Amino acid sequence: DTAVSQTPKYLVTQMGNDKSIKCEQNLGHDTMYWYKQDSKKFLKIMFSYNNKELIINETVPNRFSPKSPDKAHLNLHINSLELGDSAVYFCASSSKGQGFGYTFGSGTRLTVV
Amino acid sequence: GQQLNQSPQSMFIQEGEDVSMNCTSSSIFNTWLWYKQDPGEGPVLLIALYKAGELTSNGRLTAQFGITRKDSFLNISASIPSDVGIYFCAGQRFGANSKLTFGKGITLSVRP
Repeated sequence: DTAVSQTPKYLVTQMGNDKSIKCEQNLGHDTMYWYKQDSKKFLKIMFSYNNKELIINETVPNRFSPKSPDKAHLNLHINSLELGDSAVYFCASSSKGQGFGYTFGSGTRLTVV
Repeated sequence: GQQLNQSPQSMFIQEGEDVSMNCTSSSIFNTWLWYKQDPGEGPVLLIALYKAGELTSNGRLTAQFGITRKDSFLNISASIPSDVGIYFCAGQRFGANSKLTFGKGITLSVRP
């Protein structure tokens, strides 16, 4: 029944590794997002996809590559992980243009050691 | 990028008290939203506001969309311990690729 689900919930990995976070939504929304929440709790948008098309790409290192196989899924792949990538990553979805706000997943806490 | 200002960073109140939070922006938004984040969870939408001057309630929560469209406030009445969390304001403009911009959040603590 979970509306926006992310896996894994926790991810601990060493510097230099490559990792992926998966996100799925069952709300029928056509737009999905990745947000990064830093240690000061600030939520910053990274990417947005609408019907599998990238529509927002904020200034994010190109080590981060989103992939949307269909409009219900948006995955985030991170290459060559760095210490500064440690954060909580949130996936969210919305119906584009309705202004009803976003539905968020419960987050993936990434720790790079 | 566009910033929404929320302050103070933390608030401490006694159970049963009312609390108000403000959110301001240097430019106009067409939609204002208030979210709450519990520890270990994602933000959850509390109230959405769509018209300047609009006042909307959700249980003990009341929020208003400022007349200038550059601010919003959230009021929580008769606080209870489960009100603890981080409260974020967010603004959105009309437009094909409009994104939600968040404030930095206010951490609310409620003393029993």
